[in-house]
Amino acid sequence: AAGVIQSPRHLIKEKRETATLKCYPIPRHDTVYWYQQGPGQDPQFLISFYEKMQSDKGSIPDRFSAQQFSDYHSELNMSSLELGDSALYFCASTQGTYNSPLHFGNGTRLTVT
Amino acid sequence: GESVGLHLPTLSVQEGDNSIINCAYSNSASDYFIWYKQESGKGPQFIIDIRSNMDKRQGQRVTVLLNKTVKHLSLQIAATQPGDSAVYFCAENSQVGNSGGSNYKLTFGKGTLLTVNP
Repeated sequence: AAGVIQSPRHLIKEKRETATLKCYPIPRHDTVYWYQQGPGQDPQFLISFYEKMQSDKGSIPDRFSAQQFSDYHSELNMSSLELGDSALYFCASTQGTYNSPLHFGNGTRLTVT
Repeated sequence: GESVGLHLPTLSVQEGDNSIINCAYSNSASDYFIWYKQESGKGPQFIIDIRSNMDKRQGQRVTVLLNKTVKHLSLQIAATQPGDSAVYFCAENSQVGNSGGSNYKLTFGKGTLLTVNP
């Protein structure tokens, strides 16, 4: 079965650079979530989209922005990168129905040097 | 590799034993709960879910118990195998806003590192 696809798998950037992470949800899923996970930490909710509109916002820095496109893929844009942004970034998708599980991609590992 | 596990509660069991992983959730308004398994370098993988109108649900080798009175979840894994070694997260789902659709948020609890010894 098709899963959530994230690209790139690994990304190395320097401080103050920008990065763009991409997420392709499972076909027919209209809802996308972004999470950030530091080493040994639980995933922290950043932002979500439903039918191309932002549906909720979590602990996402102002330096980050995201959007969901007409084909339902999503991009997380990160600017003025800081060392503390180094983490795993996961995208998850689901159908826009309450009480349906989120399905996660394998993440993008971002390293800021 | 990733340092997952350095800051996590750990549970070590022998292969073939049963495992019980516990989780306390925070929001009494949460009405849907999910257990995820996360292996090193991978995203969380759905294991089993339960709605708040139930107190027990069984899957293949796994059982989830929900105690809403004390806001507690547990995941029981029968006949634990080496392939079960991973970090396990519980997650609670609560609705945000009133506009329906997908205005809900999945909040993860602290993970537990399960190590299965052969």
